[in-house]
Amino acid sequence: EAQVTQNPRYLITVTGKKLTVTCSQNMNHEYMSWYRQDPGLGLRQIYYSMNVEATDKGDVPEGYKVSRKEKRNFPLILESPSPNQTSLYFCASSRDRARVYFGPGTRLTVT
Amino acid sequence: AQSVSQHNHHVILSEAASLELGCNYSYGGTVNLFWYVQYPGQHLQLLLKYFSGDPLVKGIKGFEAEFIKSKFSFNLRKPSVQWSDTAEYFCAVNAYNNNDMRFGAGTRLTVKP
Repeated sequence: EAQVTQNPRYLITVTGKKLTVTCSQNMNHEYMSWYRQDPGLGLRQIYYSMNVEATDKGDVPEGYKVSRKEKRNFPLILESPSPNQTSLYFCASSRDRARVYFGPGTRLTVT
Repeated sequence: AQSVSQHNHHVILSEAASLELGCNYSYGGTVNLFWYVQYPGQHLQLLLKYFSGDPLVKGIKGFEAEFIKSKFSFNLRKPSVQWSDTAEYFCAVNAYNNNDMRFGAGTRLTVKP
């Protein structure tokens, strides 16, 4: 089954404690991206990747890092999380513009 | 870069009422347009998309959208909503030559039974 998986699905952490949210897709897609969803702001793109070792900033990259060492994985790293990074995070992947697959979301709370 | 604006933040309708959600985008070139739906507690699902051809696009669950190039709009419509249509709806756009997708802020639809 074609899918994008994210882990963890829920996470509560404290300010400053480094964390990683994993994202994996089984469709051999080249394009992957991370979004955060906040009430009234919709989905805003954090980072995207056109292929292995090719990443670029989206609209709200501050406080986040990503890496793309393998085609299937695109982890999102928060080196020093802060409360304003409390949000719902979605990973997405696509081969072309016709269809974007979204992961189930990760709800992050930073206290 | 392209951007998307959705005019309504929250729409409340009774069952069987007609629905129209506005979406405007700003981008000078050729675009692909999408509507996604997010039911409570779930991730985004594609409702419909427009790439080219007939500007009136039919999607799943009785939804349709009309691309009006002169108005840079892609409004979502449904003639008769149901309680199960309660969800958040997102308009999205990407430029013809890349996969970089931008979303609107979303419109929350509440349908009263």
